[in-house]
Amino acid sequence: EGQLVESGGALVQPGRSLRLSCAAYRLKFDEYAMHWVRQVPGKGLEWVSGISWNAVATGYADSVKGRFTISRDNAKRSLHLQMDSLTVEDTALYFCAKDISSGVRAWDAFDIWGQGTMVTVST
Amino acid sequence: QSVLTQPPSTSGTPGQRVTISCSGSTSDFRFKTVNWYQHLPGTAPKLLIYNDNQRPSGVPDRFSGSKSDTSASLAISGLQSEDEGDYYCAAWDDSLNGYVVFGGGTKLTVL
Repeated sequence: EGQLVESGGALVQPGRSLRLSCAAYRLKFDEYAMHWVRQVPGKGLEWVSGISWNAVATGYADSVKGRFTISRDNAKRSLHLQMDSLTVEDTALYFCAKDISSGVRAWDAFDIWGQGTMVTVST
Repeated sequence: QSVLTQPPSTSGTPGQRVTISCSGSTSDFRFKTVNWYQHLPGTAPKLLIYNDNQRPSGVPDRFSGSKSDTSASLAISGLQSEDEGDYYCAAWDDSLNGYVVFGGGTKLTVL
């Protein structure tokens, strides 16, 4: 079964930037849409962003629109999330997740998830 | 953005059947495909139900999903202690730019 491994989480000051990465193993990475989902400690899951298999379609939650940028490198089987102008409200465990569809027309269910990488925004 | 509402908590005893509801802010559930996720402590979330009522390979048939025009439900029969954790419904909203909405989550306690 496929595996996703996130990296890049860190402690960062408000207003700074951070780039998360997600490496894919044993799955057909370039056929599926990919997503970032986060969980604030003690709270529920929140979809952050999604990208279609060919990177033509992207989507963002209102809470991150204009500050976060999702991208992918199919040749390197990797997904990225560039996070700028970070605020304390962005403190969360960030999960990478694979969609069951290509994402050309719509986002669908997420069938493979990583273990997450922690982002802490604090002074 | 759409809002999916779940009860914050529910509980049951081993062997019992429990259901978790997920209601939308509009009556157009018939146009939304609902998925359900299980999130056990210390683990990655797991897809339980997709496309309203389909189970991925490996998910026991104790888990089932249903949907009406106004709400969706996850049923767990033959409750087991290892089922204790958080359960989330989610749906794709096809409004401008499209996004995924998660319900607030329901914490299931097995007594």
